[in-house]
Amino acid sequence: DQQVKQNSPSLSVQEGRISILNCDYTNSMFDYFLWYKKYPAEGPTFLISISSIKDKNEDGRFTVFLNKSAKHLSLHIVPSQPGDSAVYFCAASVRGSARQLTFGSGTQLTVLP
Amino acid sequence: NAGVTQTPKFRILKIGQSMTLQCTQDMNHNYMYWYRQDPGMGLKLIYYSVGAGITDKGEVPNGYNVSRSTTEDFPLRLELAAPSQTSVYFCASSYQPLTNYGYTFGSGTRLTVV
Repeated sequence: DQQVKQNSPSLSVQEGRISILNCDYTNSMFDYFLWYKKYPAEGPTFLISISSIKDKNEDGRFTVFLNKSAKHLSLHIVPSQPGDSAVYFCAASVRGSARQLTFGSGTQLTVLP
Repeated sequence: NAGVTQTPKFRILKIGQSMTLQCTQDMNHNYMYWYRQDPGMGLKLIYYSVGAGITDKGEVPNGYNVSRSTTEDFPLRLELAAPSQTSVYFCASSYQPLTNYGYTFGSGTRLTVV
């Protein structure tokens, strides 16, 4: 049972436009959410996070929105740049001793010049 | 700082062979994790450790063992390699349970079992 789902395996956008990546979750115990970016042959790198007590967190060109009633979060990238082309994973965590992360399957974002 | 270092980067094993995937971090992080990523899938937790001498199972621990004798090192052992263990393995660390900056990941070990 996938508790964190990214239903779009891929997304293509034009440079300068907005990229919106979506993620749904089923476990209502998740209280912390993160987005990671991954380039080929590298490990994932942390991008942005949000606590369940907030509905929005912004960091430069990246904004994460959380809709708890819909169990949905999204990552907005504005404006998109070719260097943003990568696989994006959303991840979620339940309050606990070691904060293990549950990951979605990833979305490949391609930003076209 | 090197961050999280994983060795080897690539390995081909024959069925039934054993090997140890090495992971070391130089950030004095308490928490360390092993994940595997299969094609088209997200990362799944194999084992984790909250400090030296303390380890626990994650979602997919079967076929693996770990130890944590020092803060820096968290090796993952495969005793009898099986084709189902063909995957990319990532080690990660965190200073405390999930800071605002998430985990720091290594660059991965790509393992093929034939």
